[in-house]
Amino acid sequence: DAKTTQPPSMDCAEGRAANLPCNHSTISGNEYVYWYRQIHSQGPQYIIHGLKNNETNEMASLIITEDRKSSTLILPHATLRDTAVYYCIVGGVYKLSFGAGTTVTVRA
Amino acid sequence: EADIYQTPRYLVIGTGKKITLECSQTMGHDKMYWYQQDPGMELHLIHYSYGVNSTEKGDLSSESTVSRIRTEHFPLTLESARPSHTSQYLCASSVYRVSGNSPLHFGNGTRLTVT
Repeated sequence: DAKTTQPPSMDCAEGRAANLPCNHSTISGNEYVYWYRQIHSQGPQYIIHGLKNNETNEMASLIITEDRKSSTLILPHATLRDTAVYYCIVGGVYKLSFGAGTTVTVRA
Repeated sequence: EADIYQTPRYLVIGTGKKITLECSQTMGHDKMYWYQQDPGMELHLIHYSYGVNSTEKGDLSSESTVSRIRTEHFPLTLESARPSHTSQYLCASSVYRVSGNSPLHFGNGTRLTVT
């Protein structure tokens, strides 16, 4: 599975958009980009995933570059409850491996 | 929307005891996984299964064992618990698709403490 690189931490103001970057330069053609978040010690929560095209759901938007070597997760209006560790992972059929993620702190 | 259930949520047990962590899912998913996570650290895949009677070891070596006798059930067993096994254990499941388009669904985990 391809490895990902994320900044270890970032702050965001409540009500503003949070843009979380992820580099996955070794991604292969059939691997999807997945985003999860983990709040405290709960199980990771699925946010969104995509292959080539940009995706949007009720939680977030995912922007994937044309060469697929990087992506950005956008939380359009961050709230205090969005404070969590966000994981960007890439994978295909077999298994998904998690990295260290980005600790996002939303401040009032 | 918890369709994947882990029990117990917390477990404190003495060294040398045999323990089984339960994981069940009601979604009919073929693939199931166990991850281990120490506080503040990354998740590490320790076991996974493609379906009934299929089990594979993950990226992190573990002294635990798993079984997959029924689609919905993927228990993890430690024959003799040690303090080094103290950790959080997270179970997940996903649909099998050849395309790989298959997000994981996680349970809320079992926090194990071995004294």
